[in-house]
Amino acid sequence: EPEVTQTPSHQVTQMGQEVILRCVPISNHLYFYWYRQILGQKVEFLVSFYNNEISEKSEIFDDQFSVERPDGSNFTLKIRSTKLEDSAMYFCASSEAAVGGTQYFGPGTRLLVL
Amino acid sequence: DAKTTQPPSMDCAEGRAANLPCNHSTISGNEYVYWYRQIHSQGPQYIIHGLKNNETNEMASLIITEDRKSSTLILPHATLRDTAVYYCIVMAAGNKLTFGGGTRVLVKP
Repeated sequence: EPEVTQTPSHQVTQMGQEVILRCVPISNHLYFYWYRQILGQKVEFLVSFYNNEISEKSEIFDDQFSVERPDGSNFTLKIRSTKLEDSAMYFCASSEAAVGGTQYFGPGTRLLVL
Repeated sequence: DAKTTQPPSMDCAEGRAANLPCNHSTISGNEYVYWYRQIHSQGPQYIIHGLKNNETNEMASLIITEDRKSSTLILPHATLRDTAVYYCIVMAAGNKLTFGGGTRVLVKP
């Protein structure tokens, strides 16, 4: 069964450093998403992406964040200058369609900013 | 997207059916009811979704009331591996998923 994959599974970084989280969505999916979950809190939407453009973004997704689909298979989330409060699980999701499309999630990347 | 209300927790005996309720009284006509679950800190796992009709798949059944203001997720034979937080989410097609607190389900032997 096709699944969303994410790398790395864990990332430790120093405050102020740039990190890139990588995702490989399900191959025939066209809509891509990033969510995050701070420890003990709810899963929060960050951004959705379709046709090489951001469709929607939350207030969390400020100028420090960017997304890219650098090739036909990867979808990345970049945090330019990490803060302590960026420590969280980051989940990538993809869906085949917007109308009635179910979002399937990857296993997540645990980011720890020191 | 409409808000949902779920009980914060419930216990279930292994092998018995688990019935998880969800209220979504402000749901709009174009909004789907989605159920996901999250086991520990893993990625949310899709379970089932529906618009008006009841739905069943290999994991669960979804019963939506005729007025669409509430729904019930049924796990027919709960196992210990079904222990998780279950989220009921109302979403218009193509929108973001808005996760609430969910129902923490503990399946006991």
